[in-house]
Amino acid sequence: DSGVTQTPKHLITATGQRVTLRCSPRSGDLSVYWYQQSLDQGLQFLIQYYNGEERAKGNILERFSAQQFPDLHSELNLSSLELGDSALYFCASSRGALGHGETQYFGPGTRLLVL
Amino acid sequence: QQQVKQSPQSLIVQKGGISIINCAYENTAFDYFPWYQQFPGKGPALLIAIRPDVSEKKEGRFTISFNKSAKQFSLHIMDSQPGDSATYFCAASMGELGNTDKLIFGTGTRLQVFP
Repeated sequence: DSGVTQTPKHLITATGQRVTLRCSPRSGDLSVYWYQQSLDQGLQFLIQYYNGEERAKGNILERFSAQQFPDLHSELNLSSLELGDSALYFCASSRGALGHGETQYFGPGTRLLVL
Repeated sequence: QQQVKQSPQSLIVQKGGISIINCAYENTAFDYFPWYQQFPGKGPALLIAIRPDVSEKKEGRFTISFNKSAKQFSLHIMDSQPGDSATYFCAASMGELGNTDKLIFGTGTRLQVFP
């Protein structure tokens, strides 16, 4: 158990819908990262938040957005869902001392299926 | 230039044998190279990591070899066990320069160890 929790574990929805994925980082971790894992694209970095502020952006679609709240939990919002958005979404957290190659601890993921 | 290339895609090894997975990168700004292990239905977990100022790092049966001039690094699993059967991802980040520890992942290697 990494100490990172993600809810829900599974999500099935229809095209055009909007969903929210939730992540609670390990106690004391200030950085939260979101990654998407799909068969054709592998593990892709989406976005990072550090202590409530956006730190880095990767290949995140405009239909996707995220935020980190004062209690440091984070939410990833996916809207106007398409079939191709079906994937595993992982959240990871780290202490947040940027630039020191800290270990990122991954949650168990949310499996999203868009029908 | 942000890519990390990983090979082979899959690997079958007999119990007790040596498993070798290779990765290559282009961006010399990368300064942290972790390997992650992922079991089905689980999130990736850090196995071992190295920085470019050392050429080798060993932790138990797992060793990373790093060749800075060739921009390559590899994971060696000695005395491979059936319990090592998992997908392995190499990754890289450029924390100091990029002000973020976002990970760029290789495409993954599925390792199967047969008794």
